[in-house]
Amino acid sequence: QQQVKQSPQSLIVQKGGISIINCAYENTAFDYFPWYQQFPGKGPALLIAIRPDVSEKKEGRFTISFNKSAKQFSLHIMDSQPGDSATYFCAASRSRGQGAQKLVFGQGTRLTINP
Amino acid sequence: GAGVSQSPSNKVTEKGKDVELRCDPISGHTALYWYRQSLGQGLEFLIYFQGNSAPDKSGLPSDRFSAERTGGSVSTLTIQRTQQEDSAVYLCASSLIWGNYGYTFGSGTRLTVV
Repeated sequence: QQQVKQSPQSLIVQKGGISIINCAYENTAFDYFPWYQQFPGKGPALLIAIRPDVSEKKEGRFTISFNKSAKQFSLHIMDSQPGDSATYFCAASRSRGQGAQKLVFGQGTRLTINP
Repeated sequence: GAGVSQSPSNKVTEKGKDVELRCDPISGHTALYWYRQSLGQGLEFLIYFQGNSAPDKSGLPSDRFSAERTGGSVSTLTIQRTQQEDSAVYLCASSLIWGNYGYTFGSGTRLTVV
């Protein structure tokens, strides 16, 4: 119930292409879905987040698509650049009840953008 | 400070020794979290402090792990009688609870047990 499943584990995309990372969750009480970006030797940094009252959120080249009925959400990186090469984590949390505010993370996706 | 500060950045210790990892959160952030990241793995929740409430210790893997947060600010994660499987990066994060659910992570402490 608390798991967030992320795929793929690793992804290689050509410069200028679209990178797509997918996540699925089980707990319908989750109401906050962020994506984090992590570079080697650094802690994860918040990239973009969405709440279930919208189906899509876009910030620059980064877009989250959210499908509440399927309990899935995905990160799209448009016009992928070598500087986007990093590990990406999806996560989920709930606002109320037991375990509120505690983020549950996916296993991560190592993204490599080839120049 | 401007960000979450963790010390030391690297720690090598002998099996069986105790270690203390320190986290200094962003000033004014009421929530503080510890996560563990093993090589190539996701982030595993350890413990969560929120204001003066009792901490959520549900993620601590064994009674060798403990944490405290003094004065609602600095936190220390202590691992007693370290084992090789404790080797990982220990990440601390803080957040404002109301109106902002985004965590700010520190750079972590890389713990190696030899």
